[in-house]
Amino acid sequence: EVQLVQSGAEVKKPGESLKISCKGSGYSFTSYWIGWVRQMPGKGLEWMGIIYPGDSDTRYSPSFQGQVTISADKSISTAYLQWSSLKASDTAMYYCARACPIAAAHWFDPWGQGTLVTVSS
Amino acid sequence: DIQMTQSPSSLSASVGDRVTITCQASQDISNYLNWYQQKPGKAPKLLIYDASNLETGVPSRFSGSGSGTDFTFTISSLQPEDIATYYCQQYDNLPRYTFGPGTKVDIK
Repeated sequence: EVQLVQSGAEVKKPGESLKISCKGSGYSFTSYWIGWVRQMPGKGLEWMGIIYPGDSDTRYSPSFQGQVTISADKSISTAYLQWSSLKASDTAMYYCARACPIAAAHWFDPWGQGTLVTVSS
Repeated sequence: DIQMTQSPSSLSASVGDRVTITCQASQDISNYLNWYQQKPGKAPKLLIYDASNLETGVPSRFSGSGSGTDFTFTISSLQPEDIATYYCQQYDNLPRYTFGPGTKVDIK
């Protein structure tokens, strides 16, 4: 079974750093792009960026370029989303999702269960 | 960036009704359009890819059509388990992918 399992909920203070994870299993992790999507409380889905773990090629939505860093460690089939200095406006649910078809990035399936990030003083 | 609009933003229908949601792109995206279902408190789930292809395991009451700038998503006979928000997503130009604002579907 293809599965993406994300790290648990986080509560952080403004200015702190954070790295959340997404571990893939049941497929060739290095052959599929993995994307990240933000969902702010009560709002819709926002596409953040994507990484190809095979060669670490990373692309960012212009809205998120410079705001977050996407990375991957193919040795442990895990992708990451990180912030160097969190803001209250980063409070949201973050989803990872495998992009399909293989070696392309057209649609997203399956999705991780989501990681809730709360930033509050 | 390509802007996506959806209508309606919400709807209420009876069990068994035919439900139609439209998605419009601000420029021609061929058939580079997907549909997702998000149930309350859950992650999104892919239903339709490339505008009209049903994802494996998805009930046949769901369908999609369209190309260019205008797309349609249909539930042929609404079921109680279809209560969710539905999003379209375009993939015309990596990394400038975008989602529509969503359509919330309720049972009347």
